[in-house]
Amino acid sequence: EAQVTQNPRYLITVTGKKLTVTCSQNMNHEYMSWYRQDPGLGLRQIYYSMNVEVTDKGDVPEGYKVSRKEKRNFPLILESPSPNQTSLYFCASSLSIGLPLEQYFGPGTRLTVT
Amino acid sequence: AQSVTQLDSQVPVFEEAPVELRCNYSSSVSVYLFWYVQYPNQGLQLLLKYLSGSTLVKGINGFEAEFNKSQTSFHLRKPSVHISDTAEYFCAVRRENNDMRFGAGTRLTVKP
Repeated sequence: EAQVTQNPRYLITVTGKKLTVTCSQNMNHEYMSWYRQDPGLGLRQIYYSMNVEVTDKGDVPEGYKVSRKEKRNFPLILESPSPNQTSLYFCASSLSIGLPLEQYFGPGTRLTVT
Repeated sequence: AQSVTQLDSQVPVFEEAPVELRCNYSSSVSVYLFWYVQYPNQGLQLLLKYLSGSTLVKGINGFEAEFNKSQTSFHLRKPSVHISDTAEYFCAVRRENNDMRFGAGTRLTVKP
């Protein structure tokens, strides 16, 4: 089954404790992206990757890191989480060129930083 | 830079009534347009998309949307809603460089 998986689905942590949210897709997509969803703000892009070893900042990259060492994986790293990073996070993937153009989303990771 | 405006943050409607969720975008170049739905505690699922061709696009669950280039709009419609349509709906635009922007979302609540 074609899918995007994220782990963990729920995470409660404390300020300053490094964490990683994993994202994996099995559709051989070149393009992958991380979003955060906050009430009234919709989805805002954190980082994206056009292909292996190619990453770039989105609209809200501060406090986050990513890496793309393999095509299927795109982990999101919070080196020193802060309460303002409490949010719902989504990973998405798509082809870079050609059809279909839509992005496929993971189930989301709800992060709470206390 | 392009942006997406969903004109209503919340839309309450009674079951079996028609509904329209409005979306306007700003872009000086051609874009691809999407509507996604998010059911409670789930990820985003594609409802429909406009890439080119006919301006009226039909999607899943009886939804359709009309692309209006002159008004830069892509409103979502359904002639008769069900309780199960209660969800948050997101309009999104994507340029050829893969840059994708989402609206703030519209929460549709269908009441019995």
